[in-house]
Amino acid sequence: QKEVEQDPGPLSVPEGAIVSLNCTYSNSAFQYFMWYRQYSRKGPELLMYTYSSGNKEDGRFTAQVDKSSKYISLFIRDSQPSDSATYLCAMSRGGMNYGGATNKLIFGTGTLLAVQP
Amino acid sequence: DADVTQTPRNRITKTGKRIMLECSQTKGHDRMYWYRQDPGLGLRLIYYSFDVKDINKGEISDGYSVSRQAQAKFSLSLESAIPNQTALYFCATSKGGQGARHYGYTFGSGTRLTVV
Repeated sequence: QKEVEQDPGPLSVPEGAIVSLNCTYSNSAFQYFMWYRQYSRKGPELLMYTYSSGNKEDGRFTAQVDKSSKYISLFIRDSQPSDSATYLCAMSRGGMNYGGATNKLIFGTGTLLAVQP
Repeated sequence: DADVTQTPRNRITKTGKRIMLECSQTKGHDRMYWYRQDPGLGLRLIYYSFDVKDINKGEISDGYSVSRQAQAKFSLSLESAIPNQTALYFCATSKGGQGARHYGYTFGSGTRLTVV
């Protein structure tokens, strides 16, 4: 079983829809949770960051973490064609003051999202 | 200019050839990583380096080697390329020692490698 599971999609929605992207994980030691967006032929870029449980909102994007269920979500409101990309979740056990494997990011395989105009 | 620059952007090479992918960064980060990305498999860590004198194998290091020439430069070599090394390769950087927080990674734009 992979440490991080993510539905690969593809997910196709009409413009203006609310999009929900999700990841589940098995390691209860994960504390740092991130979402990356990757456009075609580009590198992933950090979109949202959350520490421990709770919600974080940034414009049209909301990240949620439910540590009791080992489940994280990214919601996109009023989705736009420019949101079409692959979204990867990532998580880490520790912060950057740790060495070794503690702060390595573990990535989901990514969900391909297409927002149709 | 990009913070993390990878060269070349695209490369086609023949089986058995030696090839080097290069990565340089202007972020001032001390930690650097090499990943490969394959459809359905996601990002897999090949090697990582926490400073110039520290090199560590990732989950799929067989068939690859790395060199950290300076804090800003980290190159990946395929000693004898084989077709199943055809993939998208990414270099990433991060900054350590900034207290307890994790700041995530900064990725380059990738090198698309095809081995024929």
